[in-house]
Amino acid sequence: GAGVSQSPRYKVAKRGQDVALRCDPISGHVSLFWYQQALGQGPEFLTYFQNEAQLDKSGLPSDRFFAERPEGSVSTLKIQRTQQEDSAVYLCASTSFQLAGSYNEQFFGPGTRLTVL
Amino acid sequence: AQSVSQHNHHVILSEAASLELGCNYSYGGTVNLFWYVQYPGQHLQLLLKYFSGDPLVKGIKGFEAEFIKSKFSFNLRKPSVQWSDTAEYFCAVNAQAAGNKLTFGGGTRVLVKP
Repeated sequence: GAGVSQSPRYKVAKRGQDVALRCDPISGHVSLFWYQQALGQGPEFLTYFQNEAQLDKSGLPSDRFFAERPEGSVSTLKIQRTQQEDSAVYLCASTSFQLAGSYNEQFFGPGTRLTVL
Repeated sequence: AQSVSQHNHHVILSEAASLELGCNYSYGGTVNLFWYVQYPGQHLQLLLKYFSGDPLVKGIKGFEAEFIKSKFSFNLRKPSVQWSDTAEYFCAVNAQAAGNKLTFGGGTRVLVKP
């Protein structure tokens, strides 16, 4: 079975450019997460979807960051007017449906390494 | 808000040595605790998890971790490491009242010398 896939794996952008990062979750997984991992640090939560609904976007660092999941499957993280501090690995994770108060394992993709020059 | 700290950033060991990685979290409520591993060139994988019950949990590849609630700790251990354990290890917390997101520590890079 296929795992979580992300594309592109590597992206180099000039400062000020817009970028779009794609995540394909495991088929049937209703929950999808985005994390940002700066060099030498652990992943930090950005945003969370359940199906097409964005239930938590508290981790998005600025209004330049925007995520969507219009059909409840593939998700796109868009960063507008990229800055050097946006350079990081962007990780996507998905999980199957979980009841309130329970927790299911998050399966991570390989990440997209974004370098902003 | 919850936070997670891992005390060792880099650990270098010889094969057959014992490994213990420290993890402390700050959160007063109920938590789920995890250790993830990232082998060179691979994605994050779950090593083990604690939700409730026996505070000593066993994971894959001979790893175990002990939850000590009074110390807010969830240390990872392996009695005898192998060269293939070279990886970066991340402790993570899910605070049940804060939804489904994970809060990660900064990671510990472990190098096992053959």
